Amino acid sequence: GAVVSQHPSWVICKSGTSVKIECRSLDFQATTMFWYRQFPKQSLMLMATSNEGSKATYEQGVEKDKFLINHASLTLSTLTVTSAHPEDSSFYICSARGQDYGYTFGSGTRLTVV
Amino acid sequence: DAKTTQPTSMDCAEGRAANLPCNHSTISGNEYVYWYRQIHSQGPQYIIHGLKNNETNEMASLIITEDRKSSTLILPHATLRDTAVYYCIVHLVGNQFYFGTGTSLTVIP
Repeated sequence: GAVVSQHPSWVICKSGTSVKIECRSLDFQATTMFWYRQFPKQSLMLMATSNEGSKATYEQGVEKDKFLINHASLTLSTLTVTSAHPEDSSFYICSARGQDYGYTFGSGTRLTVV
Repeated sequence: DAKTTQPTSMDCAEGRAANLPCNHSTISGNEYVYWYRQIHSQGPQYIIHGLKNNETNEMASLIITEDRKSSTLILPHATLRDTAVYYCIVHLVGNQFYFGTGTSLTVIP
């Protein structure tokens, strides 16, 4: 079946630094990738949608300059949290949509900003 | 995409069937019903999806009412490993994929 690999699985960074999270579709080409954020005891909140080779579409209230998304190939999308602060600490999850319109999720990245 | 309503939490005895309801009264004709589950601190796992007809796979069965305004996910023989948050999502292919609040299912020994 379709597999999405997300790295790193957890990261701790200092306030003010940037962190990059990678999302790869291992055995299929992802026409579209989604990035979500999840706070404790809450549901997944969609942050942005990215299509290969084009700019990401951000949900209302998500700062595009803070959460940089790059989708340079059909198998790789990256999310960079710039100038991270403690309030950015969260569980970040990516999802990839293949050509059969199935949605496969990565295992998530736990970001802690200290 | 149409909004869904699910109970906040449910319990189920191990070995019994778990029936998880979902209301989606504003669903449109082209929107699919998807079910995912999330075990603590993991990414969501696909369970099943359907449009109009009932569906069954190795994990579960999906029963969609004739008017499509509600559906039920059935786990035929719940195990402790089925304890998770279950999300019912109504989705139009090509649109964004939004999650609701989900149902926290606890399987009790």
